[in-house]
Amino acid sequence: GAVVSQHPSRVICKSGTSVKIECRSLDFQATTMFWYRQFPKQSLMLMATSNEGSKATYEQGVEKDKFLINHASLTLSTLTVTSAHPEDSSFYICRVRDLSRDEQFFGPGTRLTVL
Amino acid sequence: AQSVTQLDSHVSVSEGTPVLLRCNYSSSYSPSLFWYVQHPNKGLQLLLKYTSAATLVKGINGFEAEFKKSETSFHLTKPSAHMSDAAEYFCVVSAWRDDKIIFGKGTRLHILP
Repeated sequence: GAVVSQHPSRVICKSGTSVKIECRSLDFQATTMFWYRQFPKQSLMLMATSNEGSKATYEQGVEKDKFLINHASLTLSTLTVTSAHPEDSSFYICRVRDLSRDEQFFGPGTRLTVL
Repeated sequence: AQSVTQLDSHVSVSEGTPVLLRCNYSSSYSPSLFWYVQHPNKGLQLLLKYTSAATLVKGINGFEAEFKKSETSFHLTKPSAHMSDAAEYFCVVSAWRDDKIIFGKGTRLHILP
């Protein structure tokens, strides 16, 4: 079964609204989770590293006030796209690393469409 | 520093013929290397991974890849393509125990009937 889940799988929203995407580790605890964005026909780009109990680390060029990350527990990280605009439409994927097995797992992704 | 280069953005093969998707990497440390497949509007599925064990790695769905340190390559192959193999393929590199991973730009595999 799935090791990492994302919710929702698909969301359509109006411009200016905020959207929250959840990434859950179902099988193990994770102090670190990673958020990626994938534009159509492109590769995955790391947006930020989510750290349990502390602030997220953002990659260069990613606005931390626009993409709010909260890692409140060892099994849940959330990405909130604030005041979404059409250019934020993308496929968002989380990655979780199981240090005990030195394996990594990707969530199934969330397709965000901003009208 | 690490990097990964997928040499072909598109590859087309006929059904039943061999598949070769090329990947070259650069890493300061002993790398871990992965191949993922992504079908349209789907998430990533791990095909196979190399983590310093056997250099020839067998994966799912008949795919395999060979780690060649001298050539810094990790090409993905399959003896006989199937229509269901049509998808985007990503080569990924990470340093051992390193949280950061690097994605290649992807190769779109087209299967011709």
